[in-house]
Amino acid sequence: SQKIEQNSEALNIQEGKTATLTCNYTNYSPAYLQWYRQDPGRGPVFLLLIRENEKEKRKERLKVTFDTTLKQSLFHITASQPADSATYLCALGGSQGNLIFGKGTKLSVKP
Amino acid sequence: DVKVTQSSRYLVKRTGEKVFLECVQDMDHENMFWYRQDPGLGLRLIYFSYDVKMKEKGDIPEGYSVSREKKERFSLILESASTNQTSMYLCASSRDSPLEQPQHFGDGTRLSIL
Repeated sequence: SQKIEQNSEALNIQEGKTATLTCNYTNYSPAYLQWYRQDPGRGPVFLLLIRENEKEKRKERLKVTFDTTLKQSLFHITASQPADSATYLCALGGSQGNLIFGKGTKLSVKP
Repeated sequence: DVKVTQSSRYLVKRTGEKVFLECVQDMDHENMFWYRQDPGLGLRLIYFSYDVKMKEKGDIPEGYSVSREKKERFSLILESASTNQTSMYLCASSRDSPLEQPQHFGDGTRLSIL
């Protein structure tokens, strides 16, 4: 069955540094991949979409890459701020518009 | 902005009760989804719906049913609540086209079954 893994449950970094989160998957060939942010007690909020034929997408301080050969997506937050502290979820696109979510990485940015 | 509203933020019920969780979206989205979220297990899809009166099983449908009588409303039903159904329940909606439309989530219902 398909499996999706986010490299770590938690990531602690210093303010101003670049945070890099990893999403790996097996037994699946998604047509697209999405990243979401979730704050405590709230539902996930969509951040970025990347399609299988795209290598990289950017939005302000966010960058996502998608390597279908390695079956991996990297999510970068440059010049990180304490306000970026949250849990970040990657999600693989299913054939019917449903999503398969990873368990998330909790990012803490220390001032 | 899309708004997905779940009827309760917190709910406490007893074992064996029939429980209804309601979700309403205001953007005329075709697709609606119910997930549960548990520590260490992440978000898991229970049921989804592509249209009124349509439903599809997700990864963990056992013990649940759904109802979609109107396009904007998607209800999750726990037929006979059990303690292992204590969880955070999240509803989401999305457009049906193109396929990769993002999902818009409500803020969840934290359900405790005693």
